[in-house]
Amino acid sequence: GAVVSQHPSWVICKSGTSVKIECRSLDFQATTMFWYRQFPKQSLMLMATSNEGSKATYEQGVEKDKFLINHASLTLSTLTVTSAHPEDSSFYICSASTGRGNTEAFFGQGTRLTVV
Amino acid sequence: TQLLEQSPQFLSIQEGENLTVYCNSSSVFSSLQWYRQEPGEGPVLLVTVVTGGEVKKLKRLTFQFGDARKDSSLHITAAQPGDTGLYLCAGELRAAGNKLTFGGGTRVLVKP
Repeated sequence: GAVVSQHPSWVICKSGTSVKIECRSLDFQATTMFWYRQFPKQSLMLMATSNEGSKATYEQGVEKDKFLINHASLTLSTLTVTSAHPEDSSFYICSASTGRGNTEAFFGQGTRLTVV
Repeated sequence: TQLLEQSPQFLSIQEGENLTVYCNSSSVFSSLQWYRQEPGEGPVLLVTVVTGGEVKKLKRLTFQFGDARKDSSLHITAAQPGDTGLYLCAGELRAAGNKLTFGGGTRVLVKP
């Protein structure tokens, strides 16, 4: 399957600071990437759809000014959590689709964010 | 109410037993995927089913897509401790573009 790399795997930051998470498709070009948030023992919750060269599409209830998404190239999307607070602590996961045929999504390893 | 209802939410069995996880919806999906996720990692794609009534086998795992493409099941034969994890079904709705809709997940624990 296709390889998606997410970095960092974990990060601890102070309340009020910003954190950037990178998602890279290593062996294919991804015109669309997706960002999810996952709470302990729960399923994935889609936050936004990241489109290369255009603005991201956010799901209802997700603050676009707080979760900044940039998809500057066909292999890289970034999620920046701005002015992070303890309630933003979570597991963030990105996925990318090859776009061929069905939407088979390949996921990154996830990023565990802890805001102290 | 979730668009994709997964059941059961949690399953604890002994090694060697069989188990079945269900994924149900009132919506028709153009495709449905099953993933397995281990703690601290991203989900890993197990299979994609596309055709109504389709059955796919992956070693001890059997996946079935309902005839009407509204439901799916995952059956594991002779479960092993290595099968422990969170199993997620995800469906693709044409009307939603290429977004995936995830079920709530089934946490499987296989005890040795």
